[in-house]
Amino acid sequence: DTAVSQTPKYLVTQMGNDKSIKCEQNLGHDTMYWYKQDSKKFLKIMFSYNNKELIINETVPNRFSPKSPDKAHLNLHINSLELGDSAVYFCASSQDWREGAGELFFGEGSRLTVL
Amino acid sequence: EDQVTQSPEALRLQEGESSSLNCSYTVSGLRGLFWYRQDPGKGPEFLFTLYSAGEEKEKERLKATLTKKESFLHITAPKPEDSATYLCAVRGIKAAGNKLTFGGGTRVLVKP
Repeated sequence: DTAVSQTPKYLVTQMGNDKSIKCEQNLGHDTMYWYKQDSKKFLKIMFSYNNKELIINETVPNRFSPKSPDKAHLNLHINSLELGDSAVYFCASSQDWREGAGELFFGEGSRLTVL
Repeated sequence: EDQVTQSPEALRLQEGESSSLNCSYTVSGLRGLFWYRQDPGKGPEFLFTLYSAGEEKEKERLKATLTKKESFLHITAPKPEDSATYLCAVRGIKAAGNKLTFGGGTRVLVKP
């Protein structure tokens, strides 16, 4: 029944490793997002996809690569993890962004800790 | 670039003690101002959207208002279950796609 689900909820890994976070939404939305929330609680957008097409790509290192196999899924792969990547990553979805929907539905977050 | 500043950072209230949270924003043109609630270990949950100065929205003990420079979230007679972090976000006319710019939030603790 979960509207936006992301896995895993917790990730602890060593510097230099590669990791992936998966996200799925069952709301029938067309637009999906990845946000990063740092230790000061600021939420910053990283990427947005609309029906598998990339529409927002903020200033994010190339080590971060999103992939959207279909409009219900948006995964995030991170290469060569660094200490500064430690944060909570939130997946979200909304109606088609061109319709001006500001209501985002967020997942519960994936807490990434890089040692 | 769109900017959002929320104050105070933290607020401790006694149950029943009404208060207001502030969200100051700078945008080239406002397409929407949004309030979200975030509980510990959870994702933000949508509360309100405001589009133009003078607009107000209410939900239970919460009331959001909007001026040309700021928004207030008024909590009337809060209960312990209102304890959460409240996030404000804006979407400006120059923002790509559906990009929202969030403030740092106000952590509210309501004591019984």
